[in-house]
Amino acid sequence: KQEVTQIPAALSVPEGENLVLNCSFTDSAIYNLQWFRQDPGKGLTSLLLIQSSQREQTSGRLNASLDKSSGRSTLYIAASQPGDSATYLCAVGPISSGSARQLTFGSGTQLTVLP
Amino acid sequence: GAGVSQSPRYKVAKRGQDVALRCDPISGHVSLFWYQQALGQGPEFLTYFQNEAQLDKSGLPSDRFFAERPEGSVSTLKIQRTQQEDSAVYLCASSGYRGSDTEAFFGQGTRLTVV
Repeated sequence: KQEVTQIPAALSVPEGENLVLNCSFTDSAIYNLQWFRQDPGKGLTSLLLIQSSQREQTSGRLNASLDKSSGRSTLYIAASQPGDSATYLCAVGPISSGSARQLTFGSGTQLTVLP
Repeated sequence: GAGVSQSPRYKVAKRGQDVALRCDPISGHVSLFWYQQALGQGPEFLTYFQNEAQLDKSGLPSDRFFAERPEGSVSTLKIQRTQQEDSAVYLCASSGYRGSDTEAFFGQGTRLTVV
């Protein structure tokens, strides 16, 4: 059974700092990996999607990398801002013979960027 | 609408009451997923539909949980005889077939509180 772990569980940084969030998964047979942002009391907003054949994806100040062989992904946030404060969730989609791609999530990293 | 829409946003139910949660996926999306998110945890898979067919319901925690998508669009998650442990945020996600792109888009969720 796939297990996804995110470290640290919580992180507090001063504004302007670059930071890295970590995600690890136990089964490297994945179809894709997706990073989400969740604000308190809200749903999930997709940030980046990395297909299994890719090594990284970038969007603005965000860069996500994927190392399938070691079962790891990182989300790099450059020049952090108070508006980046949220919980960041990592999720992996399995390789399956059918069309179901239900995601397995980590418990998230709660990020606080201090002004 | 442009995104996944869920209603109601909040629901308070007395223990033993039946509830119905609605999900309007992105128009044209074939796949629809329901997830349950307990406080401080990542979402956990409940069930999956491809069009109107429920292909996977392995995550439903008990036979009190029932989901349907009769016309392959709107879906309803029903919980009978609610119990306190059912209190959680219920998230709906949809995805479409666009080549190998299986990015999942999530709704805002329904926060269920059983008292």
